[in-house]
Amino acid sequence: DTGVSQDPRHKITKRGQNVTFRCDPISEHNRLYWYRQTLGQGPEFLTYFQNEAQLEKSRLLSDRFSAERPKGSFSTLEIQRTEQGDSAMYLCASNFLVEETQYFGPGTRLLVL
Amino acid sequence: AQSVTQLGSHVSVSEGALVLLRCNYSSSVPPYLFWYVQYPNQGLQLLLKYTSAATLVKGINGFEAEFKKSETSFHLTKPSAHMSDAAEYFCAVSESSGNEKLTFGTGTRLTIIP
Repeated sequence: DTGVSQDPRHKITKRGQNVTFRCDPISEHNRLYWYRQTLGQGPEFLTYFQNEAQLEKSRLLSDRFSAERPKGSFSTLEIQRTEQGDSAMYLCASNFLVEETQYFGPGTRLLVL
Repeated sequence: AQSVTQLGSHVSVSEGALVLLRCNYSSSVPPYLFWYVQYPNQGLQLLLKYTSAATLVKGINGFEAEFKKSETSFHLTKPSAHMSDAAEYFCAVSESSGNEKLTFGTGTRLTIIP
């Protein structure tokens, strides 16, 4: 069990650029979640997948955000035309369908200049 | 809709003293409740969880929490603080089976005074 991994760990970009983050869940976990955490706040839910199906999206996930999990394994989160307000830590978590505990990755810290 | 309120964004205790971090929740259905800890520049680690079994839940690192339905509370305690407990602590709630999105509080930063 290698845990949830995320790549990159840090990303600095200029406003208007596109960025993509990757999350590799714990092997065989069929649910995968994305959260966003801004400075001094708790994580906020963005979206989650069961296998390759995206089951729920938060209102926080504007049209500039898109998430995929094409083969039901790893997931990507893309932000188009980044804005300074997108600066945050993006956290990924995974679990089994019938397990309560979500296991979190180390996060990707995004800074938009 | 579910929500979590953590009273006290910063708590300081002396090493060896009791740690008490407060969490109140709101949920329209029986909740699943969690405490996570976050060390600087790291992800979240589960401390303990309540899933409608025993109301007193024991977790890792000597922490425990008690679910009190009448008070809608799930406060986190540890009898004797250790320097390594310094971190950010988040209370979270999930409806139904717990296998849904988590709603987090704003967190409590715990500082340990030597």
